[in-house]
Amino acid sequence: EVQLVESGGGLVQPGGSLRLSCAFSGFTLSAHDMDWVRRAPGKGLEWIGRARNKADNYSKVYAASVKGRFTISRDESENSLYLQMSSLKTEDTAIYYCARVNMNYGGLDSWGQGTLVTVSS
Amino acid sequence: DIVMTQSPLSLPVTPGEPASISCRSSQSLLYSNGYNYLDWYLQKPGQSPQVLIYLGSNRASGVPDRFSGSGSGTDFTLKISRVEAEDVGIYYCLQVLQTPFTFGQGTRLEIK
Repeated sequence: EVQLVESGGGLVQPGGSLRLSCAFSGFTLSAHDMDWVRRAPGKGLEWIGRARNKADNYSKVYAASVKGRFTISRDESENSLYLQMSSLKTEDTAIYYCARVNMNYGGLDSWGQGTLVTVSS
Repeated sequence: DIVMTQSPLSLPVTPGEPASISCRSSQSLLYSNGYNYLDWYLQKPGQSPQVLIYLGSNRASGVPDRFSGSGSGTDFTLKISRVEAEDVGIYYCLQVLQTPFTFGQGTRLEIK
């Protein structure tokens, strides 16, 4: 069974940093692209980035809203995906989800439960 | 960036009645392989999103057959043949043709 569990959320001041983790089981990370998606309070879903699989040289792509501030990384030995967030802004306040990309059809077929990040002074 | 526009944004429905959500993209999502790179997701209250439809018209595993997706190019529709109480939540379309991938604003389905 595929499982994804995010952790690391919390309260951080504007300008601060935070690292989110996504621990997974039930599949091989190197075979899948992985996405981070967030939902700010009262707003809709926002795609923020993708870590591509081994066949695509583990390349990463980011939304403009986080590019240069957020970095996605993976540790296959730890069965984990990470989202390093820096220079945080109040508008980064959201629930952050990691999601697995189905390599047959490209949809996000498994999601974690999410972790809440609050950026506030 | 590709802009995704959903309508309506709010959809009150009587149980047993059909429902339809429209999603339009600012550019064609039809790739040269004949597939439309458009997915539909549902986020139920207090839950993570779940995929309903992928590549425009294919139901994901475990999704009831009362859900169907149609359309091509820039115009897509999600239909629920008979709404049930468990269908409440926010429905999103997502284009996965090119980065940055973009969601529609979301359509909140509620039971009358």
